[in-house]
Amino acid sequence: GAGVSQSPRYKVAKRGQDVALRCDPISGHVSLFWYQQALGQGPEFLTYFQNEAQLDKSGLPSDRFFAERPEGSVSTLKIQRTQQEDSAVYLCASSSNRGSNEKLFFGSGTQLSVL
Amino acid sequence: AQSVSQHNHHVILSEAASLELGCNYSYGGTVNLFWYVQYPGQHLQLLLKYFSGDPLVKGIKGFEAEFIKSKFSFNLRKPSVQWSDTAEYFCAVNEERDDKIIFGKGTRLHILP
Repeated sequence: GAGVSQSPRYKVAKRGQDVALRCDPISGHVSLFWYQQALGQGPEFLTYFQNEAQLDKSGLPSDRFFAERPEGSVSTLKIQRTQQEDSAVYLCASSSNRGSNEKLFFGSGTQLSVL
Repeated sequence: AQSVSQHNHHVILSEAASLELGCNYSYGGTVNLFWYVQYPGQHLQLLLKYFSGDPLVKGIKGFEAEFIKSKFSFNLRKPSVQWSDTAEYFCAVNEERDDKIIFGKGTRLHILP
């Protein structure tokens, strides 16, 4: 596709529900990042993939958060037993080379609201 | 751990005014520096970046930023802003050996027509 695509655009979950957020990076992009952006804050790093390998997951806030990219393209961020503090915009970004030294292309994000 | 500080959370200017947005980072090693911008209703996009060489970097739409290593700063400037510059601006830093970039909290810029 022309850009990074994320779905759904909006997600409302009841506290305790599991959610899955999808990211389709630009075709051929090696690197994929997930960020969490709370209201009024900057994006906070969650995790990074180089192809299918998850090289850094230091930003995942708890073991309720899990990300995968099994074939090195589409990635899914899963949040189990959602809590109100998980409410945020989840951003996906990809780049053509390793890491974020090259330009990052961001998706529009998934806005998660946990009630 | 590295961090990024943006001094102004909200800036309001009239068209044709000059702009300077402050950014400081807290890592003493070699870094790459970025400014990203998010226009209303759009996704984050790269405005400019510094890797090495000339510390004065020019980006799109007339923006520039100056890397001052001794001050750990990377301030964004534009001599004359336009209404279309209304957006949120994020400073970001990447340690040379790290793969991720760390973002500041952002500065909301509002330009009055």
